[in-house]
Order: sequence, then structure tokens, then C-alpha cells
Amino acid sequence: AQKVTQAQTEISVVEKEDVTLDCVYETRDTTYYLFWYKQPPSGELVFLIRRNSFDEQNEISGRYSWNFQKSTSSFNFTITASQVVDSAVYFCALSERSPTSGTYKYIFGTGTRLKVLA
Amino acid sequence: GAVVSQHPSRVICKSGTSVKIECRSLDFQATTMFWYRQFPKQSLMLMATSNEGSKATYEQGVEKDKFLINHASLTLSTLTVTSAHPEDSSFYICSARAPGQMMIATNEKLFFGSGTQLSVL
Repeated sequence: AQKVTQAQTEISVVEKEDVTLDCVYETRDTTYYLFWYKQPPSGELVFLIRRNSFDEQNEISGRYSWNFQKSTSSFNFTITASQVVDSAVYFCALSERSPTSGTYKYIFGTGTRLKVLA
Repeated sequence: GAVVSQHPSRVICKSGTSVKIECRSLDFQATTMFWYRQFPKQSLMLMATSNEGSKATYEQGVEKDKFLINHASLTLSTLTVTSAHPEDSSFYICSARAPGQMMIATNEKLFFGSGTQLSVL
């Protein structure tokens, strides 16, 4: 069975601090996808990044960066110089193909609530 | 990017009534839509997978007679909560997948609606 663990339920930082959100996953598949989504107070889920299991290159996008380590089954997300607008719940998700239906399903972690204080 | 519209954003109803939630893909045809449920401060739990023109596939523990899903067109899926009770109060969110993404490795991404907060009194 697949599982996504976000051990940090809530993090508070002061503006301009760097913050890392942890994500650890479990899967038996060799082909899978990992995602990070942002859920602001308005409720909608905003796509941040997708990474497939064969691409372990770290990625940087502006103040955001992601560290994918297959050896530790982790896909951590770092926000550099955090801003108040970064305050939201961040979800890590795993997608793998169902052997029975053939479709991909998402399994979400429980989310990390980030509060950035001015 | 692709847009998924979900309506209503908030609904309050009396116990025993039925509530319909719509999920529309605005600029692409969604062969598959997913319905999730999210309790306060918890994760999104997949309720069912809806494929256009066929019956929905429900996750274990989700009552298909309670949560009716219809995906009659490539741009619209509806979730009807029948005979709603206070324990059905939750945040419901849909997502859509564009055609051809089921097996393509390079473009697996879901587009999410803005969610519906259901409160049953």
C-alpha cells in the first residue's frame, strides 16, 4: 500500500526565514509521481511541482526548491526568504498506477500548515 | 493553465435534503474526474473516480447510493449528496484529468476545482 507522511502538522516562521517542509512516501512501484500542492485559505489546490520517480534532479523555481531523494523516499520542499503570502497548507502527494484499473490515483499526505508571520 | 470550475462554493442545507455539486472543465475535455472529501485540518480523501459515459468507481467505505456521481459529458461531472446528514458536512473538491494523460508519463497532473463547503444543519 502507498502512503505519504508529512510529519510536520504546523510550522510558524518569521518573514524572510527559510523553511523546509518534509515529505516521506512509501510505494512498491518503480514508476510513480510525486507532487506538491498549495492550499490557501480560499480552498483551491494550486499545483506547484511534479516529479517522476526516474528524475532525481533537484529543482529550483524562484524561492521554491525541491529535494528528491529516492534512497530515503523523501521529497522535501524548501521556501527561501518566506513571505506572508506563502501562508497556506501544503500537501505532498503520490501518484501511482493502479494494477487493476490502470488509472493513476493520488494519495495525499495530511498536509503541513505554514504560517509566515510579518 | 487549465481551469476547473466547481459550484457552489458554499452550501448550507437542512438534514434530509439532497445537494448537487457541479464540476466543470472550462478549457479542456476531462475524460476522468475525481471527487475528494476533506475534513477540517485533514488530508484529501479520494471518494470516487468518475469516467465519462460509465459508472463511477468508488473507494472502499464510500456509499455509492449516498454519493451519486454523474459524468454525462466530457466537461461536467456532478456529485449529489443524497439525504444529507450533519456528518456529511465537509469540504468537497473535484479534480479533472485531460484526455491522454492516463498513461502518458510526462504530463500527469490534475487540475482542481476551488471546492465546495457543505454544511448540513
